[in-house]
Amino acid sequence: DAGVIQSPRHEVTEMGQEVTLRCKPISGHNSLFWYRQTMMRGLELLIYFNNNVPIDDSGMPEDRFSAKMPNASFSTLKIQPSEPRDSAVYFCASSLGQGGHYEQYFGPGTRLTVT
Amino acid sequence: AQSVSQHNHHVILSEAASLELGCNYSYGGTVNLFWYVQYPGQHLQLLLKYFSGDPLVKGIKGFEAEFIKSKFSFNLRKPSVQWSDTAEYFCAALAASGYALNFGKGTSLLVTP
Repeated sequence: DAGVIQSPRHEVTEMGQEVTLRCKPISGHNSLFWYRQTMMRGLELLIYFNNNVPIDDSGMPEDRFSAKMPNASFSTLKIQPSEPRDSAVYFCASSLGQGGHYEQYFGPGTRLTVT
Repeated sequence: AQSVSQHNHHVILSEAASLELGCNYSYGGTVNLFWYVQYPGQHLQLLLKYFSGDPLVKGIKGFEAEFIKSKFSFNLRKPSVQWSDTAEYFCAALAASGYALNFGKGTSLLVTP
């Protein structure tokens, strides 16, 4: 299996621009997570999908952030408009099921820089 | 509130030295515990996990961790580190009934030749 796939790996954009991050979970996994990693806050959960349905988006910082999962093999995280404080590494992870006994597999991350 | 804390933010060791990274958690109820490693420029990889049973858990690359319920701890150990162990190490907790990994702030390990 190719593992969790994320694109792009690096994104540099100017403040105010729209940014779209993409994720392909491991085939057969029904849970998908978006995490953000920053120096100040460490790793934090942004949103969690189960069977393509958003279950918990309480970690999404503000309305500029939105996430979708149109099907079981694809998810996007969009930031519009982007701001310098959004600069971070964004990880997508997937797991086989819902609940604490299922290991989460992480993608390589997208390093976002907003200037 | 649920939390995970890692005691050491930066650790520098010489090759062959022994390693112990501290992790404490604050959770009500049953919790599953993990250690992840992030090598420079790479994604998070699972080192080991504890769900139940033997509190001494062995993981990949010679790492092990001990779950001590009375101390709410899950410390990571390795008897002899190598230069290739240079990485960021994250302790994480996940409520058995939950879904969101709660990560500690991480410990940056530098192993010098």
